[in-house]
Amino acid sequence: IVMTQSPATLSVSPGERATLSCRASESVSSSLAWYQQKPGQAPRLIIYRASTRATGIPARFSGSGSGTEFTLTISSLQSEDFAVYYCQEYNNWPSGTFGQGTKVEIK
Amino acid sequence: QLQLLESGPRLVRPSETLSLTCTVSGGSISSRSFFWAWVRQPPGGGLEWIGSINYSGTIYYNPSLMSRVTMSVDTSNNQLSLRLISVTAADTAVYYCARDAVYSSMDYWGQGTLVTVSS
Repeated sequence: IVMTQSPATLSVSPGERATLSCRASESVSSSLAWYQQKPGQAPRLIIYRASTRATGIPARFSGSGSGTEFTLTISSLQSEDFAVYYCQEYNNWPSGTFGQGTKVEIK
Repeated sequence: QLQLLESGPRLVRPSETLSLTCTVSGGSISSRSFFWAWVRQPPGGGLEWIGSINYSGTIYYNPSLMSRVTMSVDTSNNQLSLRLISVTAADTAVYYCARDAVYSSMDYWGQGTLVTVSS
């Protein structure tokens, strides 16, 4: 399965909404996670099962989609949200393919 | 709070073996609900799943690395290990261990360790 994320880079002003996309080459049902990674840090799980927020993740993060099309939305970007976001499918767990990432940068 | 910490040599010569250990604290590696994964990330690159193992030694490897990878678990010391043989410069990466929930995502990650393959 190939996971394709778009755009590669997203320039957003603080307080604005960010919408990130992830497309699977075949259906992965709802077996999709989103991770946030800041420079020099490990990835951090923010969404699993396509739309369930992980423990401690603020409500401004939301996930949607199923099958082959998925979206991560950050409703009002805070300074700490500027990072790279990866999607990962785990439909054939434990084998999991990651997308190439979307960098959310300050506009 | 569950914590994972990778350790091992930071520099490996080409054609030699990369060996890393992940020590888990704040929780047991013997939970039936979880596997333990290795994931790597080359400098400036994306994430690649290497393999996952559980407390009883059930192992799944990434087919692209299967011929060179060995994973093991030491439940008495709450540790998992990774061995990658015949390394090349392409194996230079940050190596992470992570908790891999069964049929779900990776919810806890170590800080990662950069391993450089160079002579």
